[in-house]
Amino acid sequence: QSALTQPASVSGSPGQSITISCTGTSSDVGGYNYVSWYQQHPGKAPKLMIYEVSNRPSGVSNRFSGSKSGNTASLTISGLQTEDEADYYCNSYSSSSTPHVLFGGGTKLTVL
Amino acid sequence: QLQLQGSGPGLVKPSETLSLTCTVSGDSISSSSYYWGWIRQPPGKGLEWIGSIYYTGSTYYNPSLKSRVTISVDTSKNQFSLNLSSVTAADTAVYYCARSQPYSSDWAKGFDPWGQGTLVTVSS
Repeated sequence: QSALTQPASVSGSPGQSITISCTGTSSDVGGYNYVSWYQQHPGKAPKLMIYEVSNRPSGVSNRFSGSKSGNTASLTISGLQTEDEADYYCNSYSSSSTPHVLFGGGTKLTVL
Repeated sequence: QLQLQGSGPGLVKPSETLSLTCTVSGDSISSSSYYWGWIRQPPGKGLEWIGSIYYTGSTYYNPSLKSRVTISVDTSKNQFSLNLSSVTAADTAVYYCARSQPYSSDWAKGFDPWGQGTLVTVSS
């Protein structure tokens, strides 16, 4: 099975907004509202930032938001802060072949 | 507060079996309606889901690893384990254990929280 497609890197300045895309197929991203997003700082475990496309876990800043259109999900971070610099991963359920979970390849966010 | 702690050998020889255990504290594996999963990350690369298990023993596996993977649960010890057979250098990775996210009992709707990760190197 193929990983979900994310841009390798994005960048923005403090205070700006950025969007990270996660493209799949109708068998995964497009077919189900099962997309999650994770933030990973170097040497740390991933942290859940968005679940089921657009829901924020308790304690996650409302600067983080998620959405989906067709086979592409998006994570938007508004009011960029230096501590947002990290790797971001999407993941989704997939019904292709046997049911399984897919991750995106990851996106490195640089806050300039 | 729920915590997951992975443990196991940090070095495994090629062709042997990688075995890791995740000990759960702060919640009972058998009393909660969550799935428990393993995810790995090769050095400098992205995340790969390995599989997930329910306390009853019901499992889901990554199709690309299914022939080599066994995930089991020991409710008496509040632990779940990963066995990956016939390892090669390509299996060198940080292995994370995690719980399915708390807002749904579904196995495929995300993971939260995660353990700290265990680096396993495959080398002779």
